[in-house]
Amino acid sequence: GIQVEQSPPDLILQEGANSTLRCNFSDSVNNLQWFHQNPWGQLINLFYIPSGTKQNGRLSATTVATERYSLLYISSSQTTDSGVYFCAVGVDMRFGAGTRLTVKP
Amino acid sequence: DVKVTQSSRYLVKRTGEKVFLECVQDMDHENMFWYRQDPGLGLRLIYFSYDVKMKEKGDIPEGYSVSREKKERFSLILESASTNQTSMYLCASTGGPFSYNEQFFGPGTRLTVL
Repeated sequence: GIQVEQSPPDLILQEGANSTLRCNFSDSVNNLQWFHQNPWGQLINLFYIPSGTKQNGRLSATTVATERYSLLYISSSQTTDSGVYFCAVGVDMRFGAGTRLTVKP
Repeated sequence: DVKVTQSSRYLVKRTGEKVFLECVQDMDHENMFWYRQDPGLGLRLIYFSYDVKMKEKGDIPEGYSVSREKKERFSLILESASTNQTSMYLCASTGGPFSYNEQFFGPGTRLTVL
């Protein structure tokens, strides 16, 4: 199956800082999503982005399918952004190990 | 509002018991998934289903089976629970095999096997 690698595994920021999370995948895909898992364990959809760029408020994402990576940008981070960010790819939705983000006040 | 529900948030079972985890979606989605999540390992796919009565093994199917008799319901079965199956179990659904949509998750079931 497709291999999915996320980096960095952990990220600690001060409130207001910007960050970039990366998702690499081993094969071409036509399905990619970013999720945020909140402290209560619920997975929340952020972006469905098999290619191109999307923006939603302070978050944006870019997928370069031909180069097999996707980036999630978080600007002006807030403490509520803390949690684990996952990307999932492929028809059978394989997940990376996640990036744990901690935003300090 | 889209909804994926799971039968229990917390479940405690004994070794050797047969365990049923139920998942129901109300979005008429064709695809449904079961994952388990363990610290440091992310989400690992156990089984998924493209249609009623159809199933595919994921990365870690050993010790599990599934049932999809109706489109809206996807059940995960632990035939004989073991302590190494203590984990968070997450169910998800998406649209169709040729029209990839957003994947929606249920709240999870935290299973403890004693």
